[in-house]
Amino acid sequence: GAGVSQTPSNKVTEKGKYVELRCDPISGHTALYWYRQSLGQGPEFLIYFQGTGAADDSGLPNDRFFAVRPEGSVSTLKIQRTERGDSAVYLCASSSWTVLNTEAFFGQGTRLTVV
Amino acid sequence: AQTVTQSQPEMSVQEAETVTLSCTYDTSESDYYLFWYKQPPSRQMILVIRQEAYKQQNATENRFSVNFQKAAKSFSLKISDSQLGDAAMYFCAYRSARTGGFKTIFGAGTRLFVKA
Repeated sequence: GAGVSQTPSNKVTEKGKYVELRCDPISGHTALYWYRQSLGQGPEFLIYFQGTGAADDSGLPNDRFFAVRPEGSVSTLKIQRTERGDSAVYLCASSSWTVLNTEAFFGQGTRLTVV
Repeated sequence: AQTVTQSQPEMSVQEAETVTLSCTYDTSESDYYLFWYKQPPSRQMILVIRQEAYKQQNATENRFSVNFQKAAKSFSLKISDSQLGDAAMYFCAYRSARTGGFKTIFGAGTRLFVKA
């Protein structure tokens, strides 16, 4: 596609429920990142994929959070037993793996609200 | 661990005037990249300008330029001839240049208002 696409744009869920957030990166981009942006804060790194594998998942806050990228393209961020503190905008970005200073392109994010 | 600090929660500028947004960072590494991103209400982060730490020359992109002071670990953004469309959140960001270092660390942001 022309840019990074994230769905849904907004998601409201009840505390304790399971949610999935989807990211469709730019075609051909091998690197994919997930960030979480809480209200009034900058984005916080969650996980980075290179191809199908998670190269760095050090930002995942706990074991309720999990992300996959089974075919090296679309990625899904999964949150189990959601808590009100999980409410945030979840941003996805992708980049090509050519040189380290390559630009990452961001999607418009999914705003998750846990009530 | 690396940190990025933006000490100005909000800034305001008159249309056509110049404004400077401040950013400081902390790192023990010598090779890294610094970025300024713009985030309008659409939430999409847009890269404004990028600086490689090994380059002494300050980066410039049209009306946007930076003042990179490596010893002071300072990286400010200057916006010249401000336009109404420049109003947004601006984030300063740091990324290590080590192999595999794709984790980007963002500051808390500065909200820029542009007055007509």
